Amino acid sequence: DAMVIQNPRYQVTQFGKPVTLSCSQTLNHNVMYWYQQKSSQAPKLLFHYYDKDFNNEADTPDNFQSRRPNTSFCFLDIRSPGLGDAAMYLCATSRWTAGAEQYFGPGTRLTVT
Amino acid sequence: DAKTTQPTSMDCAEGRAANLPCNHSTISGNEYVYWYRQIHSQGPQYIIHGLKNNETNEMASLIITEDRKSSTLILPHATLRDTAVYYCIVRVAESGGSNYKLTFGKGTLLTVNP
Repeated sequence: DAMVIQNPRYQVTQFGKPVTLSCSQTLNHNVMYWYQQKSSQAPKLLFHYYDKDFNNEADTPDNFQSRRPNTSFCFLDIRSPGLGDAAMYLCATSRWTAGAEQYFGPGTRLTVT
Repeated sequence: DAKTTQPTSMDCAEGRAANLPCNHSTISGNEYVYWYRQIHSQGPQYIIHGLKNNETNEMASLIITEDRKSSTLILPHATLRDTAVYYCIVRVAESGGSNYKLTFGKGTLLTVNP
């Protein structure tokens, strides 16, 4: 089945140690999104790619970066994770058509020790 | 995007209809109502969306009031697997600008009981 895949499902990193989360999709969607969801909170958009065009949300910290080497893959890099970055990170995709629904992966739960 | 108001939590008996309300009194004419749900430890899942007419698909029905200031998501025969947080989101369904965004509110935790 076509889907959005996130690896790993659980990631533990140390305070200040860079970490990369990955997302891949088989839907051939041209838009990919990264959301952060902290415990008991709603998902919050960090940034998205329309094809190779990167769009950062205004309040996304500089500590968060992203790469999209091709249509299928997108990476979230956290340069120096702090304890406050512990969260579920959700990848989503959609077509770039008016009102297209977003398809979410299962998420990667990041723990910072 | 217009803000939405949902109850924090609701209970429903298995096999009965679950009716989840959402208020969006400041909705604009070009804004659609979307519903997503998030089962525990999973990513959100699209359910349904509509503009002003009632909509139905294999998962649920969406009833939008005539003045469009509120809507109800109906799960006709709730099962234990429908226990989830349900998000009502109002969003412009036009290309361009910030219309790609899904701005999630707090949602409603629906608990389906055996």
